[in-house]
Amino acid sequence: NAGVTQTPKFRILKIGQSMTLQCAQDMNHNYMYWYRQDPGMGLKLIYYSVGAGITDKGEVPNGYNVSRSTTEDFPLRLELAAPSQTSVYFCASSYTWGSYNEQFFGPGTRLTVL
Amino acid sequence: GQQLNQSPQSMFIQEGEDVSMNCTSSSIFNTWLWYKQDPGEGPVLLIALYKAGELTSNGRLTAQFGITRKDSFLNISASIPSDVGIYFCAGLADNGGGSQGNLIFGKGTKLSVKP
Repeated sequence: NAGVTQTPKFRILKIGQSMTLQCAQDMNHNYMYWYRQDPGMGLKLIYYSVGAGITDKGEVPNGYNVSRSTTEDFPLRLELAAPSQTSVYFCASSYTWGSYNEQFFGPGTRLTVL
Repeated sequence: GQQLNQSPQSMFIQEGEDVSMNCTSSSIFNTWLWYKQDPGEGPVLLIALYKAGELTSNGRLTAQFGITRKDSFLNISASIPSDVGIYFCAGLADNGGGSQGNLIFGKGTKLSVKP
């Protein structure tokens, strides 16, 4: 199993550009998550999905969109990139919800918006 | 919203020393997870705790779920250079009828080990 994979690993965007961060998992997990990590901070939840076709906002959803058309894929879309979106983005997945929510993380995408 | 206070923020220790870090909250948690993040990588799950008072080991790592359900600690014994990284606690808060599904993360403890 490859686990959770993310592409690209690095990206530089200009203000106002758009891009999609890709995330895929091959563990047949129903639950998937997108986080951002700013320097010296913990992870903040952007969006999550409890299954194909179902997504919901996390703590910091503004400026982002997601879709979940398959169990395996959970792309994150930035429509109008802003410098405040410079961060490291992590995708994660888990088999269950609630008390046994052990999340497995991808390697991250480091995004810089100039 | 709920917050996790993780301390210390950073530690500089000599190889062979033991390490202790902890997370506290004003809210009750049903699950505590401890992750390690190496530079340029995603967090990797080290230990999961599900019951108050639970003490769990993973090699040289030991973690405990506090009796009050508002704290957890992680100990690393006989540290080695590859222990370097950022350690995060994460928890699932009790919403009064079970666990909320979304993890809350501490800000991390950065560990440096001198050979």
